[in-house]
Amino acid sequence: QSVLTQPASVSGSPGQSITISCTGTSSDVGSYDLVSWYQYHPGKAPKLIIYDVNKRPSGLSNRFSGSKSGNAASLTISGLQAEDEADYYCCSYAGDTTSVIFGGGTRLTVL
Amino acid sequence: QVQVVESGGGLVNPGGSLTLSCAASGFIFRNSYMTWIRQAPGKGLECISYISGSSGNIHYADSVKGRFTISRDNARNILFLQMNSLRAEDTALYLCARRDYYHSYMDVWGEGTTVTVSS
Repeated sequence: QSVLTQPASVSGSPGQSITISCTGTSSDVGSYDLVSWYQYHPGKAPKLIIYDVNKRPSGLSNRFSGSKSGNAASLTISGLQAEDEADYYCCSYAGDTTSVIFGGGTRLTVL
Repeated sequence: QVQVVESGGGLVNPGGSLTLSCAASGFIFRNSYMTWIRQAPGKGLECISYISGSSGNIHYADSVKGRFTISRDNARNILFLQMNSLRAEDTALYLCARRDYYHSYMDVWGEGTTVTVSS
């Protein structure tokens, strides 16, 4: 199954901003504004943080934001906090046959 | 409290079978699309199957098609995944999630149950 391409790891210091990229193709990210992002602390339940490219679930901090350009989507976390340290996954709709595909995940380290 | 809790994982021999369950609470289960997603050791997430509230719309990833069967019991608010002809590559953490079908996101997740396929 095809996966979206994410950097394996990113890091930043508390208070800084980081951006995680998610690169797909014209068959998935490029064709639909249906990109979502998940925060995953291993051993816990994944948490939806962005949907429809740039929408935040109710109650979620506005430190998290999403965007898309062409076949690539991005997640930006501003004002980094220690609790942001986690794995982050992007996900895109890829048509009725494939349904959804995920990125390989990015480990965020808060220095 | 809106939540889903998976159970039923364990150690199984190659070629064996196992059935996973996902108990839902705090939301109208019969109206919700549900999905199974797995994470193999050291790998990313893979959506392997989803089912509509009425069970009339079911989808499988190619990696499990013909071997796995998704089903649900709306009277008991439980989602199932029957897994047959298990292979070593099916070893993974299996996660249950509620899916918004039209926007293709998962907004309620469980912590998962681990399946290990090994002799």
